[in-house]
Amino acid sequence: DAKTTQPPSMDCAEGRAANLPCNHSTISGNEYVYWYRQIHSQGPQYIIHGLKNNETNEMASLIITEDRKSSTLILPHATLRDTAVYYCIVRVATAGANNLFFGTGTRLTVIP
Amino acid sequence: KAGVTQTPRYLIKTRGQQVTLSCSPISGHRSVSWYQQTPGQGLQFLFEYFSETQRNKGNFPGRFSGRQFSNSRSEMNVSTLELGDSALYLCASSLAAGTGGSYGYTFGSGTRLTVV
Repeated sequence: DAKTTQPPSMDCAEGRAANLPCNHSTISGNEYVYWYRQIHSQGPQYIIHGLKNNETNEMASLIITEDRKSSTLILPHATLRDTAVYYCIVRVATAGANNLFFGTGTRLTVIP
Repeated sequence: KAGVTQTPRYLIKTRGQQVTLSCSPISGHRSVSWYQQTPGQGLQFLFEYFSETQRNKGNFPGRFSGRQFSNSRSEMNVSTLELGDSALYLCASSLAAGTGGSYGYTFGSGTRLTVV
């Protein structure tokens, strides 16, 4: 299973863009990059996912490098409610094996 | 539409007892996965069910088991509880199990189990 590496923690000023990096140098061609976040004591929340192209939705943008060995999750205007642990996950796309392998994630603290 | 519902939200059990946790997936979702979250080990995959069949299993002892019913609702059971089983147990549902990578997972709020 492809592993991911994320910084353990990051701070971001409220209203500024939060850029969360993730390394996944062993990613396979058919594996997607997923991002989830977990606010204290709640279940993880899906944010965004992508395969090769950059993706954007109402929550965030996902930038994947051309070699697909790393990606960056961008929260364009961070708010205090974005304080959470962010998980970058490379999904094993094997028939019948849809489990997600969570690493330690990045604890993002949005500072007023 | 209703999200993933896990019951109960909180549970206190004694060592040696057994416990059953329940998960109702989003309507139409047929895949249910279970995860254990502890401060020391983080989020760890337990098992996944699809169409009443276990599709994959994480590295947990046989005391941890599960099942899925025809309506996609799932239960997980932990027998002979140990202190180390104290954790937040999370259930996630998705549309399908398979090779596609385009299905996101929706998590419930979890059941916090405390073993004393």
